[in-house]
Amino acid sequence: QKEVEQNSGPLSVPEGAIASLNCTYSDRGSQSFFWYRQYSGKSPELIMSIYSNGDKEDGRFTAQLNKASQYVSLLIRDSQPSDSATYLCAVNMGAGTYKYIFGTGTRLKVLA
Amino acid sequence: NAGVTQTPKFQVLKTGQSMTLQCAQDMNHNSMYWYRQDPGMGLRLIYYSASEGTTDKGEVPNGYNVSRLNKREFSLRLESAAPSQTSVYFCATSPTGGAVYGYTFGSGTRLTVV
Repeated sequence: QKEVEQNSGPLSVPEGAIASLNCTYSDRGSQSFFWYRQYSGKSPELIMSIYSNGDKEDGRFTAQLNKASQYVSLLIRDSQPSDSATYLCAVNMGAGTYKYIFGTGTRLKVLA
Repeated sequence: NAGVTQTPKFQVLKTGQSMTLQCAQDMNHNSMYWYRQDPGMGLRLIYYSASEGTTDKGEVPNGYNVSRLNKREFSLRLESAAPSQTSVYFCATSPTGGAVYGYTFGSGTRLTVV
């Protein structure tokens, strides 16, 4: 069974701090990795994608990928109360597949 | 530019009733997907259509059928609704087949089966 694991949280951080969200996956053949943000009662919104080992930065967001250790993380710098949401990790299940596996998400609370 | 439009937004069904959830996109994306989201279970793929004219089962297809009507529209049908199908249903699209691109999601349909 191919799996994507996330700590459900809630992860509470003070405003202005760095929030670190982690995700591990079971399939070594996975090639594409995504982070989605989902506000309560809303649909998921794509915020980051990463395909190669290392870091990818986009504004206050940094995605980190380590294929050898099979984890992907999302750092949110200068966290704001508006970042409070559930963050979903999604991983494709090998080359040539149309399918992703989603983690169950980590709930982030940024305290003002 | 509406993106991905799902109808209806809310629906209550009685056990055994049927209904069709509609999804339409104006993004010119080839691939379309139906997911359900349940507390503690995450998003689970029901069916997908890699391109117009093709459909395939996902992780949880039992009790559902789909139709890719054209490039823009992908519908999900519940033939005989069961309480276990109470969930939030999301339609999603991506530019091409192959899990390279992220998804654009519709706003969801909240379905309750009593």
